[in-house]
Amino acid sequence: GENVEQHPSTLSVQEGDSAVIKCTYSDSASNYFPWYKQELGKRPQLIIDIRSNVGEKKDQRIAVTLNKTAKHFSLHITETQPEDSAVYFCAASELTGGGNKLTFGTGTQLKVEL
Amino acid sequence: DAGITQSPRHKVTETGTPVTLRCHQTENHRYMYWYRQDPGHGLRLIHYSYGVKDTDKGEVSDGYSVSRSKTEDFLLTLESATSSQTSVYFCAISAPAGYEQYFGPGTRLTVT
Repeated sequence: GENVEQHPSTLSVQEGDSAVIKCTYSDSASNYFPWYKQELGKRPQLIIDIRSNVGEKKDQRIAVTLNKTAKHFSLHITETQPEDSAVYFCAASELTGGGNKLTFGTGTQLKVEL
Repeated sequence: DAGITQSPRHKVTETGTPVTLRCHQTENHRYMYWYRQDPGHGLRLIHYSYGVKDTDKGEVSDGYSVSRSKTEDFLLTLESATSSQTSVYFCAISAPAGYEQYFGPGTRLTVT
């Protein structure tokens, strides 16, 4: 089955700096890569996703890049703000007609310091 | 937030007792999922459903069963709860187009 590794497990940045979180996956059949943000005590919230036919996707201060050859993808957050502090999870799956069985990384605790 | 509710939101139960968690959606989405979240493990898929009465196992299905008799409800049952099943349980839904998954508010289950 799929295995997703995520690094770093904790990340501390100064407000206004950029943050980068990296994930690797093992199954070359995976073609869907979402990122979730989870605040303490809350549900995971989908913030951005990318499919394997696209190398990069941006949404305001957030961007995701995908390298299919190396089987890794990354989340980039620019101009970080205190409200970006949360746990971020990457995930991977192979989209089929039978649903979307996500395999998650173990999470990155991002702390944005004033 | 997508129209997903979970009940109960918190539960404490004793080892060996049966427990049923409910996920209810108002989005009429075909696919529903149950995950558990534990420190150091992220979220792990327990079971999922691709239609009424159509379910399949996920990564960590041992000790769990599911049922889906209506599009809007997906039930997760622990037949005989164990302390290792202490966790936060999240339900998620997705529609075929796009495949984005949206999560419910979660149920915190403690097995003593």
